Amino acid sequence: EDQVTQSPEALRLQEGESSSLNCSYTVSGLRGLFWYRQDPGKGPEFLFTLYSAGEEKEKERLKATLTKKESFLHITAPKPEDSATYLCAVRINSGYSTLTFGKGTMLLVSP
Amino acid sequence: DAGVIQSPRHEVTEMGQEVTLRCKPISGHDYLFWYRQTMMRGLELLIYFNNNVPIDDSGMPEDRFSAKMPNASFSTLKIQPSEPRDSAVYFCASSPPGLAGNNEQFFGPGTRLTVL
Repeated sequence: EDQVTQSPEALRLQEGESSSLNCSYTVSGLRGLFWYRQDPGKGPEFLFTLYSAGEEKEKERLKATLTKKESFLHITAPKPEDSATYLCAVRINSGYSTLTFGKGTMLLVSP
Repeated sequence: DAGVIQSPRHEVTEMGQEVTLRCKPISGHDYLFWYRQTMMRGLELLIYFNNNVPIDDSGMPEDRFSAKMPNASFSTLKIQPSEPRDSAVYFCASSPPGLAGNNEQFFGPGTRLTVL
């Protein structure tokens, strides 16, 4: 069965303290790995899509990278407004248009 | 564009009652998805439509759940009869046309359902 595992479940950082979130996957035929941000009481908001190992994408203080088994979301010098739950999801060959989500990492950045 | 619109935002009902959740996708999007999110199971796909046609409903938990999309701008998810274990946040998402649906999904704000 295809699996998407995110770690840690929760992470607390001080403002400016850089760190990384992990998303490991065991799927066959990856067609894309997606990162979403979810604020409390809201729906997930799209951040990045990565398609092949070695690919990297950046947006402000966030950088996503992809290997053949996992993806990292690096957060550089985070600010309190980066506090949210970060979800990763995979799209696979056998799943036409469907995404399988991990359970997310809840990030809290303290001032 | 207003984004994906869902109603109601909150629903509290008693066990055995019928519940109907509503979704208006982003105009021009031809994929529509219904998800359920709980602490235990995370975000799970229930069903999705392409051009108003249900494509995959394998995530629908049981016959008590049904979904319809009568036109390109409206979809409903119905639970009848509802049970306490159905309590969750239900999200609707839509996606624009693209190669095999490779485009990102845009989520609505969700409906928080509580079944007493």
